[in-house]
Amino acid sequence: QVELVQSGGDVKNRGASVKVSCTTSGYNFNSFGIGWVRQAPGQGLEWMGWVSPYNGKIKVAQKFQGRVTMTTDTLKTTAYLELTTLTSDDTAVYYCAKMGPGLRPGSAWFETWGPGTPVTVSS
Amino acid sequence: QSVLTQQPSASGTPGQRVTISCSGSISNIGNNPVYWYQQLPGTAPKLLIFANNKRPSGVPDRFSGSKSGTSSSLAIGGLRSEDEANYYCASWDDNLSAAVFGGGTRLTVL
Repeated sequence: QVELVQSGGDVKNRGASVKVSCTTSGYNFNSFGIGWVRQAPGQGLEWMGWVSPYNGKIKVAQKFQGRVTMTTDTLKTTAYLELTTLTSDDTAVYYCAKMGPGLRPGSAWFETWGPGTPVTVSS
Repeated sequence: QSVLTQQPSASGTPGQRVTISCSGSISNIGNNPVYWYQQLPGTAPKLLIFANNKRPSGVPDRFSGSKSGTSSSLAIGGLRSEDEANYYCASWDDNLSAAVFGGGTRLTVL
């Protein structure tokens, strides 16, 4: 069965960077995109971007452009999200998700979600 | 302020039918499929409805989705206590070139 396992929670100082990993299993990693979504405490869901494990193509939400790097390691079937220049507004749970069929960024089809990685930014 | 608009809360008693609405525009719901997600307390979201009205394997047929123009609805029939959760709609927005979510609807089973 499809499974996504994420790295553990982290506490960072303001201005630092954080890297979250998402290790997948149970499907052909190269054939489906990975989406990243975050959720601030008590708030709703916010799309951050999408990465294609097939060719490394990414699509990043305008809000995060310049601060986000999304990469994949096909040998480890793992996706990574790195967010730099952290502020308290970045305190959130970060989710990765296996996207639905169609290896393209223009979709809101988050088929299977990881458990989430809580990131706290302290000042 | 979310791009897609949902009512903040909904409620019903066990066995009842409840409907949650999601309003958007031509650039998102009007032109792209709608997805619904259920988030139980303290857990990750789970896909409930894809492509407007299709249920993934394992989702009970008590859950149904529909879309008309720039709006979508999620209906939950035969309400159960375990349905108490936050529900989010989502779609792709062509103008923003981004996936967009509704603000979420907290469903309470009385």
